[in-house]
Amino acid sequence: DIQMTQSPSTLSASVGDRVTITCRASQSISSWLAWYQQKPGKAPKLLIYKASSLESGVPSRFSGSGSGTEFTLTISSLQPDDFATYYCQQYNSDRTFGQGTKVEIK
Amino acid sequence: QITLKESGSTLVKPTQTLTLTCTFSGFSLSTNGVGVGWIRQPPGKALEWLALIYWDDDKRYSPSLKSRLTITKDTSKNQVVLTLTNMDPVDTATYYCAHVTLVPAKGGFDYWGQGTLVTVSS
Repeated sequence: DIQMTQSPSTLSASVGDRVTITCRASQSISSWLAWYQQKPGKAPKLLIYKASSLESGVPSRFSGSGSGTEFTLTISSLQPDDFATYYCQQYNSDRTFGQGTKVEIK
Repeated sequence: QITLKESGSTLVKPTQTLTLTCTFSGFSLSTNGVGVGWIRQPPGKALEWLALIYWDDDKRYSPSLKSRLTITKDTSKNQVVLTLTNMDPVDTATYYCAHVTLVPAKGGFDYWGQGTLVTVSS
């Protein structure tokens, strides 16, 4: 099984901050990684696929990078709507989600 | 416009079998590269992938739950059914179904149902 580890688990930030979330895979997954945003009581929303491709309709302040075992999700300027929990998910071998990173208001 | 909706038992007793149906529209599960997956989320916890079925009837299961899971599709009804045997209170969660496409090579779940909360209790 491929394990996905996100850091940090919780992140406190202010509107306008640049935010970076890291996701590490237990073995190489090439670029087969997706990022999701989830708000309380709602289904997750796909933000990024294939590590760095922006899903249609997602604001350009979201970006993804990385390959192999280390990946990052960056929000260039945090907006009020961005306070949520973020998950990475590998699809190199079946599917595995990370444990999530909650972005909260500082 | 792609939509998915989960339905099925919302209260299950321990040891019973859970059966959930995902009814979808806006795509066909006979189209090359298309799949439907199931994901669950216990209250306050992280997402957990359960199973995935593709247009060619290829089926994938979470290794930790493989012995208890079965996923099937009915292309004519636009439905995917998930069964989970021997339910336990730790299986209490919101269960989601979601669409995935490999063409183009997205791989992420791009459309999700609203989710259905399943509670396991005697």
